[in-house]
Amino acid sequence: DAKTTQPPSMDCAEGRAANLPCNHSTISGNEYVYWYRQIHSQGPQYIIHGLKNNETNEMASLIITEDRKSSTLILPHATLRDTAVYYCIVRVAEYGGSQGNLIFGKGTKLSVKP
Amino acid sequence: NAGVMQNPRHLVRRRGQEARLRCSPVKGHSHVYWYRQLPEEGLKFMVYLQKENIIDESGMPKERFSAEFPKEGPSILRIQQVVRGDSAAYFCASSRQDRWYGYTFGSGTRLTVV
Repeated sequence: DAKTTQPPSMDCAEGRAANLPCNHSTISGNEYVYWYRQIHSQGPQYIIHGLKNNETNEMASLIITEDRKSSTLILPHATLRDTAVYYCIVRVAEYGGSQGNLIFGKGTKLSVKP
Repeated sequence: NAGVMQNPRHLVRRRGQEARLRCSPVKGHSHVYWYRQLPEEGLKFMVYLQKENIIDESGMPKERFSAEFPKEGPSILRIQQVVRGDSAAYFCASSRQDRWYGYTFGSGTRLTVV
């Protein structure tokens, strides 16, 4: 799986948009970009994933550059409860076999401040 | 719908004892993944199982650790002869065959070896 690079930490003011970048310059054509987050002491939570088109759901938006070498997770109106470590993961979409495991890096620690 | 249930939430063992961690996946999920998170570190993949089969155990330590996911009942992660270095949070995740990207994680078991 391709490696990702994320800033170790970011701050965001409550109510503002949080934009979390991720570089994945070695991504392959069949690899998706996934985002998870881990709120302190809890299990990771799936947020969103995408291949090449921008994606939006009730939690966030995912913007993937045209060359797919980087992406940005956007939390449109950050709240204090969004304080967490955010993980950007790149992996193939094939089901089963040895591709089943997600590889977590160090992620970005997002601190939402009042 | 119940999520992934892990128990116990906290487990204290003396050095040399056995630790058994249980994970009940989301109803209808047939794939289980175990991850370990050492204090102040990221999540490390351990093992991926389907019912009665170990698919990928590349992250499991070679000795003292074993995992199973029987036809009936929860998945079990077993650690024999625990040592202080085994103290960590152990997370289980599950997925459906056709929505594997949406891993659902449990709240984890925090193992403390004294």
